[in-house]
Amino acid sequence: AQSVTQPDIHITVSEGASLELRCNYSYGATPYLFWYVQSPGQGLQLLLKYFSGDTLVQGIKGFEAEFKRSQSSFNLRKPSVHWSDAAEYFCAVGPGGGNKLTFGTGTQLKVEL
Amino acid sequence: NAGVTQTPKFQVLKTGQSMTLQCAQDMNHNSMYWYRQDPGMGLRLIYYSASEGTTDKGEVPNGYNVSRLNKREFSLRLESAAPSQTSVYFCASRALDRNEKLFFGSGTQLSVL
Repeated sequence: AQSVTQPDIHITVSEGASLELRCNYSYGATPYLFWYVQSPGQGLQLLLKYFSGDTLVQGIKGFEAEFKRSQSSFNLRKPSVHWSDAAEYFCAVGPGGGNKLTFGTGTQLKVEL
Repeated sequence: NAGVTQTPKFQVLKTGQSMTLQCAQDMNHNSMYWYRQDPGMGLRLIYYSASEGTTDKGEVPNGYNVSRLNKREFSLRLESAAPSQTSVYFCASRALDRNEKLFFGSGTQLSVL
């Protein structure tokens, strides 16, 4: 069965500092991987996705993620965090087709000014 | 652009009461989904509709029913609400393309007393 682990429940960073959010997945074949962001009181918004090809993918809002098959990881990074990045971030894995996505439990990001 | 619209935004029910959560999308998407979000558990798929006229169970379907009324609308019904169904419910939709992007509504916060 597919699964996603986000080991960090809460992360606090200072504005301007770099950020890395961890995501480890379990999947039997080449996965479709996603990062979504949820601002307070809102639904989720897609940040970026990986299907195949270049293992470093760029997303919106200056985020990027790297797929590492050998480590079963898809970590999200941002070189310089802005206060508006404070939100909850979800990693997701699935087979493609959109109907069997499994979400992680989320990482709550706090940004200190 | 309205995107995915959910009603109501908040609801309080007593145990045993019934209610229907409404969801409509104006993006001409084929697939629609209902998720529930609980603290520490991420998002879990309740039901989905891959296309108009079809519905399928997700990970946690017990206690729920759905209706794909037409291409735009996908409702979720709780026939006899239980405290375990206290949660935030999200509707999402997706186009049948390689983008694989889910578009989420802003959620319904449901409390069952």
